[in-house]
Amino acid sequence: SSELTQDPAVSVALGQTVRITCQGDSLRNYHASWYQQKPGRAPVLVIYGEKNRPSGIPDRFSGSSLGNTASLTITGAQAEDEADYYCNSRDSSGNHVFGTGTKVTVL
Amino acid sequence: QITLKESGPTLVKPTQTLTLTCTFSGFSFISSGVGVGWIRQPPGKALEWLALIYWDEDKRYSPSLKSRLTITKDTPKNQVVLTMTDMDPVDTATYYCARTIYGSGSHYDYWGQGTLVTVSS
Repeated sequence: SSELTQDPAVSVALGQTVRITCQGDSLRNYHASWYQQKPGRAPVLVIYGEKNRPSGIPDRFSGSSLGNTASLTITGAQAEDEADYYCNSRDSSGNHVFGTGTKVTVL
Repeated sequence: QITLKESGPTLVKPTQTLTLTCTFSGFSFISSGVGVGWIRQPPGKALEWLALIYWDEDKRYSPSLKSRLTITKDTPKNQVVLTMTDMDPVDTATYYCARTIYGSGSHYDYWGQGTLVTVSS
């Protein structure tokens, strides 16, 4: 199966650390990428190739992976980090897939 | 500067065929590895990957929608066209196109603004 499962919602206190996970069989063989999406806006790539940050993405965003689970960690969450987050990867056929999404609330 | 923009009808009737065009600039299918994909998002729901075409005409489709989708490209015009047949109200969504690079993973580094398509009679 190429499905990617995420927790629907998580909350984090301002300045604290939150980890968002993405589970799927394909993650054992292929890297995950992560996107931030704010209401009414297109997704923005924040992590690619499991742990690489595009230019302009703050270093409080980091990625990691273990087994069938990829993680996005926000260290020192800011109010502007409140958004929906999606993982994506591919399967052995070259098809792409997105995760179910996680809504992050910064308290 | 890389930009992508989606265009097409905002309203289609059930059973009709949807045709969306992605027009981009700042990169080209002449370059090896370039790919453009389509992703949609129903209101209040998650992103769903639909299809992808690479510089070499290699195409990939969502297994669940493969029978309804066709993706093509026009290299000189810097355009990618997605057609989806037999539209249904559940296909109401914002449709995005985005760039990917073969071999770098499955990530999309540049996205269009999206276009909302409503399916209703």
